[in-house]
Amino acid sequence: DSGVTQTPKHLITATGQRVTLRCSPRSGDLSVYWYQQSLDQGLQFLIQYYNGEERAKGNILERFSAQQFPDLHSELNLSSLELGDSALYFCASSVESISGNTIYFGEGSWLTVV
Amino acid sequence: QKEVEQDPGPLSVPEGAIVSLNCTYSNSAFQYFMWYRQYSRKGPELLMYTYSSGNKEDGRFTAQVDKSSKYISLFIRDSQPSDSATYLCAMRVNTGNQFYFGTGTSLTVIP
Repeated sequence: DSGVTQTPKHLITATGQRVTLRCSPRSGDLSVYWYQQSLDQGLQFLIQYYNGEERAKGNILERFSAQQFPDLHSELNLSSLELGDSALYFCASSVESISGNTIYFGEGSWLTVV
Repeated sequence: QKEVEQDPGPLSVPEGAIVSLNCTYSNSAFQYFMWYRQYSRKGPELLMYTYSSGNKEDGRFTAQVDKSSKYISLFIRDSQPSDSATYLCAMRVNTGNQFYFGTGTSLTVIP
């Protein structure tokens, strides 16, 4: 168990709909990352937050948005869903210090758009 | 050119074999290097973490970093069927910067 919690684990929704994925980082970790992994594809970096502030943006679509709350949990909002958005969405967290310079992943939220 | 290159495989070996997994990278500023193991439809699990050059050993796993060649390796000794998974390399310039992942190598260890 990495200590990173993601909900829901599985989600099936229709095209055009909006969903929210939730992530609780490891205790003490200030940084949250979101990644998308499509079938047989590598991890695509979407966005990073550090202590409530957006720090880096990757290949995140305009239909997607995220935020990190004061209690450090994060939400990824996906709207106007398309079939191609079906993927595993991973959250990861990091303490961001010299001694803790790696990230730990949650088990993912498996989104199916039908 | 991608920041991190990793042969996707698939790689198939008999049980007990020594497995060598590799990544090359283009950014000489990378200092932090990681290997993750990902079972099908599961979250990547951190296996090894190395700072700068050198070797690090943990049980049956050895991570090597050769910064002069921009090349990192993960060796698995006495491979087991439970090692069958996708292995991802990752690297980073410095604290606070983005992580760069390889696309992963699929490994199957045959009993």
